[in-house]
Amino acid sequence: GQSLEQPSEVTAVEGAIVQINCTYQTSGFYGLSWYQQHDGGAPTFLSYNALDGLEETGRFSSFLSRSDSYGYLLLQELQMKDSASYFCAVRDTGYSTLTFGKGTMLLVSP
Amino acid sequence: DAMVIQNPRYQVTQFGKPVTLSCSQTLNHNVMYWYQQKSSQAPKLLFHYYDKDFNNEADTPDNFQSRRPNTSFCFLDIRSPGLGDAAMYLCATSTSLGDQPQHFGDGTRLSIL
Repeated sequence: GQSLEQPSEVTAVEGAIVQINCTYQTSGFYGLSWYQQHDGGAPTFLSYNALDGLEETGRFSSFLSRSDSYGYLLLQELQMKDSASYFCAVRDTGYSTLTFGKGTMLLVSP
Repeated sequence: DAMVIQNPRYQVTQFGKPVTLSCSQTLNHNVMYWYQQKSSQAPKLLFHYYDKDFNNEADTPDNFQSRRPNTSFCFLDIRSPGLGDAAMYLCATSTSLGDQPQHFGDGTRLSIL
């Protein structure tokens, strides 16, 4: 089976930097994805890491350490519109589908 | 714009009355997925189609069925909805199985009376 752990809620202020951690346990591992979901909306893809290291896309960066079964999403220069739920998801080599974590609700305040 | 479209956005049905949710895509992706998402929970995969090959998750209730008559359309049928089936149902697509990203529709929120 697969399991993912991420914090349930994170709060921050506009302009700050926040890191959302994700640890996972899988029988096999292809990669770690991050999705953003605003309340009542569709999940939207943010990033995918298959190899160790940092991937940067604008204000968002994602990091993976395969040896530690750990990754994080880094959000910089936070804006109010970044208030949303963030899900990490693993692609398992055995299943080739995604298993999502329970999500982290990010609340950005002025 | 190429996209994934789900209809309707909101669906209300009665306990035990069959209901069908629809999803269409203009991305020409091979894989279509159906997820169930309950309030403040992670999306849970129900099943997926890789072209015409249907794959059911082991813990998906028999009450849930799916049809994919062609590449563009996929349907979720709930034969006898129970109160526990009230949720957001999300359709997603990807070019191939496991490929990232998955493209999600806006979902159908199903309520059971």
